[in-house]
Order: sequence, then structure tokens, then C-alpha cells
Amino acid sequence: GENVEQHPSTLSVQEGDSAVIKCTYSDSASNYFPWYKQELGKGPQLIIDIRSNVGEKKDQRIAVTLNKTAKHFSLHITETQPEDSAVYFCAASAYSGAGSYQLTFGKGTKLSVIP
Amino acid sequence: DGGITQSPKYLFRKEGQNVTLSCEQNLNHDAMYWYRQDPGQGLRLIYYSQIVNDFQKGDIAEGYSVSREKKESFPLTVTSAQKNPTAFYLCASSNSPGGLSEAFFGQGTRLTVV
Repeated sequence: GENVEQHPSTLSVQEGDSAVIKCTYSDSASNYFPWYKQELGKGPQLIIDIRSNVGEKKDQRIAVTLNKTAKHFSLHITETQPEDSAVYFCAASAYSGAGSYQLTFGKGTKLSVIP
Repeated sequence: DGGITQSPKYLFRKEGQNVTLSCEQNLNHDAMYWYRQDPGQGLRLIYYSQIVNDFQKGDIAEGYSVSREKKESFPLTVTSAQKNPTAFYLCASSNSPGGLSEAFFGQGTRLTVV
């Protein structure tokens, strides 16, 4: 099955600096890569996603890059703000048999933005 | 408002008891999922359902059971066979029964065994 590795597990940055979180995946057939943000005591929320036919996608201060050859994708947050502090999860969707796909998540990165 | 609702938010269970966690969605999504979250472990898939009256085991299904009698409901039962049930449980749904589109998550249920 799919295996997703996420690094770093914790990340502290000064307000205004950039933050980068990296993930690798094992199944070359994976074709959908979402990123989720989880605030304390809440469920994760999608912040950006990318499909395998695209190399980069940007939404305001957030961008995701995908390298299918190397099987890794990254989340970039620029001009970080204190409200960006949360746990971020990457995920990869791969075929799991019987006509279905599964999302496999990384273990998460706790981002702290220091004012 | 459309969304996915989990209840209760906090749940306490005595050892040896079964307990059922509720998950309801009004997004008209076909696919629904249950994940377990432990500190430092990310989200691990327990069960998923792509259509009414059908469901499949995820990576950690032992000690859990589900049903999908209605499109909008996907309750999870944590049985006494689950040896370490204390965790944060998340329910999700998606429009695409293939994990190829956004999954919407509920606010979670924190289960504690006392």
C-alpha cells in the first residue's frame, strides 16, 4: 500500500518568514495530493490540493509543488502569520483495489509562527 | 448549512463496554470515512463506505464495526475487542468515492476509556 512520509514533525518560524513542509510517497500511481490544516480540537480542513498532471499550484500565500519523478511534494507558506500556527497534514490518494481509492496521510507537522 | 456532524464531542467509556460514535452529513456525499488520530501518528483509516449498504475495512479495522443503512449516516462502534480505544476519532465524507476530491471532516469525537 501507499506510504507517506512527512518532514519536519515540528517547525518554528518568525512571523513574516516562509515555511516549507515536505512529503514523499511510495506509490507511483498516486494522482491526488491534498494538504490539510488542523487547529487544536478541530477536524482537518483542506487548504490546497494538486493533481498529478500539474507541477505547481498557488493560492495567495500558499503554494504546493509536485515532483512525480522523485515522488515528493511540498507545501510553501509565505509571509507567515500567527494564525497559520496549526498542524498540517499531507496526503496521497492511490488505488486500493475493487474500484476504490484511499487517502493515506502523513504524520503531520506542527507549525508555530512566533510573533 | 451543509456539513458533517459528529456527536458527542467527548465520550467516556468503561473497559469492556461497546460505544457508538455518530456521524451525519447533509452534503449528499456518497463516500464516508472513519479515521483514528493519535499523537504523532497522523490519521489512520478505520473503515470507509463508498455507497449505502457497502463498506470496506481500512488499515486498522480490528475492534471496530460500522453500518451504512442511510446515505447521510455512518456510525462507528468501538467494541470491547479494541484494546486501546482512547483516541480522537474523525469522520469524513467526499463527493468522489475514490478519494480524488476534497474530504470534509467533522469536528471529531474524543473517546476516553476510564
